[in-house]
Amino acid sequence: DAGVIQSPRHEVTEMGQEVTLRCKPISGHDYLFWYRQTMMRGLELLIYFNNNVPIDDSGMPEDRFSAKMPNASFSTLKIQPSEPRDSAVYFCASSLGGRDGYTFGSGTRLTVV
Amino acid sequence: AQSVTQLGSHVSVSEGALVLLRCNYSSSVPPYLFWYVQYPNQGLQLLLKYTTGATLVKGINGFEAEFKKSETSFHLTKPSAHMSDAAEYFCAAYKTGTASKLTFGTGTRLQVTL
Repeated sequence: DAGVIQSPRHEVTEMGQEVTLRCKPISGHDYLFWYRQTMMRGLELLIYFNNNVPIDDSGMPEDRFSAKMPNASFSTLKIQPSEPRDSAVYFCASSLGGRDGYTFGSGTRLTVV
Repeated sequence: AQSVTQLGSHVSVSEGALVLLRCNYSSSVPPYLFWYVQYPNQGLQLLLKYTTGATLVKGINGFEAEFKKSETSFHLTKPSAHMSDAAEYFCAAYKTGTASKLTFGTGTRLQVTL
């Protein structure tokens, strides 16, 4: 298996633009998690899905953030409009369940200028 | 609520010295426990995990961790540090009934000096 695949690896965008981050989980994993990592706030859970259904989005910082999982092999995290304070590394992770731990993707480094 | 505490946000050791990274969890029921490593500009990678059974768990790259229920600890060790071990290390816990969410510690950055 190729692992969790995220795209793009790097994204630089101007403030106010829409940004879409993509994630392909490991085949067969039924949990998918989106995290944000910054120096100031560390690793933050934004939202997670189980069987393509959002279970907990309490970590999504604002209405500007939205996430979807239209099928078991694809998820997106969208920021519209983007702001400089959204600059961070965004990770996607997938899992068979908590006791197995997570497999993380390589992340998307987002810079909003 | 489950919490994971990592003592020391930064740890510095000399190459060849013992590495000890501390992790304590708060739970009356022993959770499943994990250590992850994050190298610069990479995602988190599973080092090792404790589920049930043997309390000394061996992981990749010569790391191991010992689950001590009496101390609610899961410290990570490596007998001899290598320059390539420089990274950030995260301890995490999963408690059944928490909807498969892991609780992560705040991380410990390991520096290895010559």
